[in-house]
Amino acid sequence: GAGVSQSPRYKVAKRGQDVALRCDPISGHVSLFWYQQALGQGPEFLTYFQNEAQLDKSGLPSDRFFAERPEGSVSTLKIQRTQQEDSAVYLCASSLALTHQETQYFGPGTRLLVL
Amino acid sequence: ILNVEQSPQSLHVQEGDSTNFTCSFPSSNFYALHWYRWETAKSPEALFVMTLNGDEKKKGRISATLNTKEGYSYLYIKGSQPEDSATYLCALPDEDNFNKFYFGSGTKLNVKP
Repeated sequence: GAGVSQSPRYKVAKRGQDVALRCDPISGHVSLFWYQQALGQGPEFLTYFQNEAQLDKSGLPSDRFFAERPEGSVSTLKIQRTQQEDSAVYLCASSLALTHQETQYFGPGTRLLVL
Repeated sequence: ILNVEQSPQSLHVQEGDSTNFTCSFPSSNFYALHWYRWETAKSPEALFVMTLNGDEKKKGRISATLNTKEGYSYLYIKGSQPEDSATYLCALPDEDNFNKFYFGSGTKLNVKP
């Protein structure tokens, strides 16, 4: 079946611009995760949804970052007033359930460059 | 916060060579370790989930071992092929919060034909 998809794949934004990144998880997956990967580092947790409920947003770096999943499927990560330090790859992942053993299935990421 | 370290940062091998790299983590309160392979321009792909001390898993030419008492996992690739070129990531869940995974910075493997 179809995997996790993300759009756009690449985004160039001017500093101060707002951006919206979309994630389409695998159908039926309850859990959805957003990660940020800066150059040369591993992915870092941003936020987690169980269905439409955002249960953990402890990794969001500032109040300029906002995520939603209104109908429990597609999710959007919005970054307001982008800054150069926001340049990174943003990964979305979904899983069927939430356990320490459950595999997370990743999308290809959105590469954001803020000029 | 869980400190997950991977070494080496990068590795260049010739086709046919066997290779291995390491994921280190705090040995207390271990729950699971996940290995992923991430090829350029593709999605990270799950390789293994390891949960028990002494676990050994295999998928084709790739295998992994786990030592929870000393806090490390090894990933081995036998007879590397150019298509094995990728970044290999390990990740562990937070002990209090299974939705939060901590990733290492990865080992970037380049296999030359």
